[in-house]
Amino acid sequence: AQTVTQSQPEMSVQEAETVTLSCTYDTSENNYYLFWYKQPPSRQMILVIRQEAYKQQNATENRFSVNFQKAAKSFSLKISDSQLGDTAMYFCAWTNAGKSTFGDGTTLTVKP
Amino acid sequence: DAGVIQSPRHEVTEMGQEVTLRCKPISGHNSLFWYRQTMMRGLELLIYFNNNVPIDDSGMPEDRFSAKMPNASFSTLKIQPSEPRDSAVYFCASSFQTGSSNTGELFFGEGSRLTVL
Repeated sequence: AQTVTQSQPEMSVQEAETVTLSCTYDTSENNYYLFWYKQPPSRQMILVIRQEAYKQQNATENRFSVNFQKAAKSFSLKISDSQLGDTAMYFCAWTNAGKSTFGDGTTLTVKP
Repeated sequence: DAGVIQSPRHEVTEMGQEVTLRCKPISGHNSLFWYRQTMMRGLELLIYFNNNVPIDDSGMPEDRFSAKMPNASFSTLKIQPSEPRDSAVYFCASSFQTGSSNTGELFFGEGSRLTVL
């Protein structure tokens, strides 16, 4: 069975600084997708960034980027220039054949 | 375009009562997922449908839980009888999957918070 581990239950960062959230996963599959989802206090989960496992280039979406290390099965999320609106719970997810496995989440607080 | 729509957003009921949660997926999506979120267990996949057919219900806790998808635009998750340990936020999500294009990105509803007293 696939497992996704987020080892940081809680993190905090000062506004405008950079923070990195960690995620590791375990799988025997070669083709899959990895996602970071954000769940703000309003509760709805929204996609932050996506990475295809067959692509070596790390995905980037504005202030959000990932460090994807396929051999190490690591998929960390870097948030640059943190904003107060980034305060949320962040979930790492592994997906194959349409089915996703989620980590336990990291609660990120951005402090003014 | 409307996103995934869930109802009710909040439900408070007493132990033993029947609870029905509803979901309307995004139009054109062919896969639908029911997740349960609790502090203790995180996000758990309960069941997912592809083209209205249940594909994997291994996450359904027990016989008290049932899910249906009578058509492409509607699904229900029913708990009968409900118990206090069923208290959680239940999310519905949908996605579009084909054999050649299957990113697996999920689009979530706002969730239904269930409290069983």
